Amino acid sequence: GQQLNQSPQSMFIQEGEDVSMNCTSSSIFNTWLWYKQDPGEGPVLLIALYKAGELTSNGRLTAQFGITRKDSFLNISASIPSDVGIYFCAGANTGANSKLTFGKGITLSVRP
Amino acid sequence: NAGVTQTPKFQVLKTGQSMTLQCAQDMNHEYMSWYRQDPGMGLRLIHYSVGAGITDQGEVPNGYNVSRSTTEDFPLRLLSAAPSQTSVYFCATATGLWGGNTIYFGEGSWLTVV
Repeated sequence: GQQLNQSPQSMFIQEGEDVSMNCTSSSIFNTWLWYKQDPGEGPVLLIALYKAGELTSNGRLTAQFGITRKDSFLNISASIPSDVGIYFCAGANTGANSKLTFGKGITLSVRP
Repeated sequence: NAGVTQTPKFQVLKTGQSMTLQCAQDMNHEYMSWYRQDPGMGLRLIHYSVGAGITDQGEVPNGYNVSRSTTEDFPLRLLSAAPSQTSVYFCATATGLWGGNTIYFGEGSWLTVV
């Protein structure tokens, strides 16, 4: 089945730093999504991307849909302590049998 | 997480016991699904439903049953709990199968099988 690759599993950054996360796939997706999960909570959608090459921002977050449709990245600028959490990428395709496929997530730690 | 309610929040089961995780939504979403989350594994789809009376298997369906008798409810049944089913379970709803900006997750149910 389709798989999404996110690495490394954990990232440690200093407050105020920028961080970039990448998500790659062996197959094409028509939709790329980025979610954040806070401890003890369910994932919450951060950014949705629907077109190859699309660049979308949400506050300090910026995500891009790769031209090849096989990758996407998420940038967080000027990190703050509340950015701590697990960041998941997810991909989906159109069609009656399409499903949402999640990456394994990256756990982000922010040192004050 | 507004609109998607999961119960119970925490549960401990003995091996072989059965139980049902409840999921209820008040957003009139057609699409409901169950995921399990394990360390280092991300979110894996167990079962999903595209509407009342319709269910289908996801990536890891073995050991679980679902039914969708109403739009609002999508219970997940563990038939005979096994330690491998220790996990965090999330119910999610959406207006469509892949509508990324309309997927809502519940707060999760932590299940431990001993």
